[in-house]
Amino acid sequence: DIQMTQSPSTLSASVGDRVTITCRASQSISTYLAWYQQKPGKAPNLLIYKVSSLETGVPSRFSGSGSGTEFTLTITSLQPDDFATYYCQHYNSYPITFGQGTRLEIK
Amino acid sequence: DVQLVESGGGLVQPGGSLRLSCAVSGFTFSSNWMSWVRQAPGKGLEWVANIKPEGSEMHYVDSVKGRFTISRDNAKNTLYLQMNNLRAEDTAVYYCAKIYSSSGYYDYWGQGTLVTVSS
Repeated sequence: DIQMTQSPSTLSASVGDRVTITCRASQSISTYLAWYQQKPGKAPNLLIYKVSSLETGVPSRFSGSGSGTEFTLTITSLQPDDFATYYCQHYNSYPITFGQGTRLEIK
Repeated sequence: DVQLVESGGGLVQPGGSLRLSCAVSGFTFSSNWMSWVRQAPGKGLEWVANIKPEGSEMHYVDSVKGRFTISRDNAKNTLYLQMNNLRAEDTAVYYCAKIYSSSGYYDYWGQGTLVTVSS
């Protein structure tokens, strides 16, 4: 199975900051990586697919990059609505797995 | 608008069974792979199962193989998850999710239904 490891687990930041979340795969997943945002009590929401493709309607301050085994989600100029938990997911093969999540909190 | 509405969750004793349903609208259900993803209280997301549009191919996470069955009724635009021999560790919010094309990532999610396995 491919393990997905996110870092950090928790990130404290302020409105206007630029933040980066890292996701590492235990083996190459090519470009089969997606990122989701989840707020408490709500379903996850797709942000990025295929490493760097922005889902329709997602603000351009979100971006993704990487290849192979190391990937990043970057949020430039944090907005109040961005404080949430973020998950990476590989879909290279079965079983599909998610990272453990990164909680982005207000400093 | 795309909508996915889960139902069927509740409290069940260990060893019991439950069937979840997910009624969908706003897209061509019969053309899309579908999935169940769960989230234990306070924990992360865990993929549970996928099913092909025709219902002819299914995949499961190892921890539910032999106990859970994913199925679909394309005439009723409904996805199902039959859960048997439930364990305490199956306690979670269960989401149904639409897979974009046959890609493997999820572009739409339901609101989730809570399954609690406890005596």
